[in-house]
Amino acid sequence: GENVEQHPSTLSVQEGDSAVIKCTYSDSASNYFPWYKQELGKRPQLIIDIRSNVGEKKDQRIAVTLNKTAKHFSLHITETQPEDSAVYFCAASKGSSASKIIFGSGTRLSIRP
Amino acid sequence: EAGVAQSPRYKIIEKRQSVAFWCNPISGHATLYWYQQILGQGPKLLIQFQNNGVVDDSQLPKDRFSAERLKGVDSTLKIQPAKLEDSAVYLCASSFADSTDTQYFGPGTRLTVL
Repeated sequence: GENVEQHPSTLSVQEGDSAVIKCTYSDSASNYFPWYKQELGKRPQLIIDIRSNVGEKKDQRIAVTLNKTAKHFSLHITETQPEDSAVYFCAASKGSSASKIIFGSGTRLSIRP
Repeated sequence: EAGVAQSPRYKIIEKRQSVAFWCNPISGHATLYWYQQILGQGPKLLIQFQNNGVVDDSQLPKDRFSAERLKGVDSTLKIQPAKLEDSAVYLCASSFADSTDTQYFGPGTRLTVL
């Protein structure tokens, strides 16, 4: 069935360094790939998304890349800051009114001072 | 704009009891989602409504879970009878049209089954 795999499950980086989280999806018809950030005890919030008609999207220190051939997409955070510490979830959807969204299992990112 | 509202925020019940959760989505949002998030895991979609129709409920344990979205606005999720493994945070989310629109999550209901 449809599946989204996310790696790594935990990631610790030095403040100021970059962090990369990777996801792979199984359904080649998927065309919408959002990333959500969930801080401890809070609700998930969208931080960036990408659609299949582009290969990369940037928003300040955050970027997402998509490789449709390989069916994987990645989140890149540059110049990490303490407030980036959270759990990050990728997701994939086929983008029709009848399609559901599937989340990855999450990556717990810790920023070391 | 007001966000997604959920109640209650916390609920503790004993196994075999029943429980119901309520969600009020953002006004005008057609699609409503119920997720189960077990500690340390990603949100698992239980059911997705578009207006008052079901888009997907393939992961809803239908022998004990039920959900409805009357009039295409508010929704309730019920568990009857509850099991220990149902302990989780139940998140409601809504999006404007379909699953390619930004989902806005509610604060969640933390359920503990003893």
